[in-house]
Amino acid sequence: SQQGEEDPQALSIQEGENATMNCSYKTSINNLQWYRQNSGRGLVHLILIRSNEREKHSGRLRVTLDTSKKSSSLLITASRAADTASYFCATSGSARQLTFGSGTQLTVLP
Amino acid sequence: GAGVSQSPSNKVTEKGKDVELRCDPISGHTALYWYRQSLGQGLEFLIYFQGNSAPDKSGLPSDRFSAERTGGSVSTLTIQRTQQEDSAVYLCASSLEGTGNTIYFGEGSWLTVV
Repeated sequence: SQQGEEDPQALSIQEGENATMNCSYKTSINNLQWYRQNSGRGLVHLILIRSNEREKHSGRLRVTLDTSKKSSSLLITASRAADTASYFCATSGSARQLTFGSGTQLTVLP
Repeated sequence: GAGVSQSPSNKVTEKGKDVELRCDPISGHTALYWYRQSLGQGLEFLIYFQGNSAPDKSGLPSDRFSAERTGGSVSTLTIQRTQQEDSAVYLCASSLEGTGNTIYFGEGSWLTVV
């Protein structure tokens, strides 16, 4: 079963706009990671946020974590056509393996 | 190596045949994971190796699936008597030990069973 659920399932925006994707999960976690996947190839790690952290930044990426609501968000600012991809959140808890959501398909229109 | 390496990149096999998929993790990474991703879906956990500990096989979908990790490095995922529903991308990942470490993925092996 999948732990995380991304919302929305699909998102289409214009280049330059910000994109926000949300992730909800069900059980307690040690950390949450966001990944990007282009055209069904390997996953590229974007950012890891630990359960005791509330916000992290990396370049144009901003991730928040609210453990009380069991939710996280990924914000991509000033989006580019190259950001078009599927984005997945993945949680790690007592079991060491990551549990993935079903992903958000982001399309950035030039 | 610089990243997680998987082979073959693509494999087309006939229903009923056995296939082996190989994963070479990042040097020094003691944790190794196999996931499966069907078209347009999220990732499904298959198996996890950590050092010399017994692997966590809880995600293997049937006894046709098995995996080995030799010498704590290279891993092979074997699917026996393949079925059409086995068609998917099989992704391998590795990380350092510890729950706070980033897990790095390979490019995956596309398996098509015809």
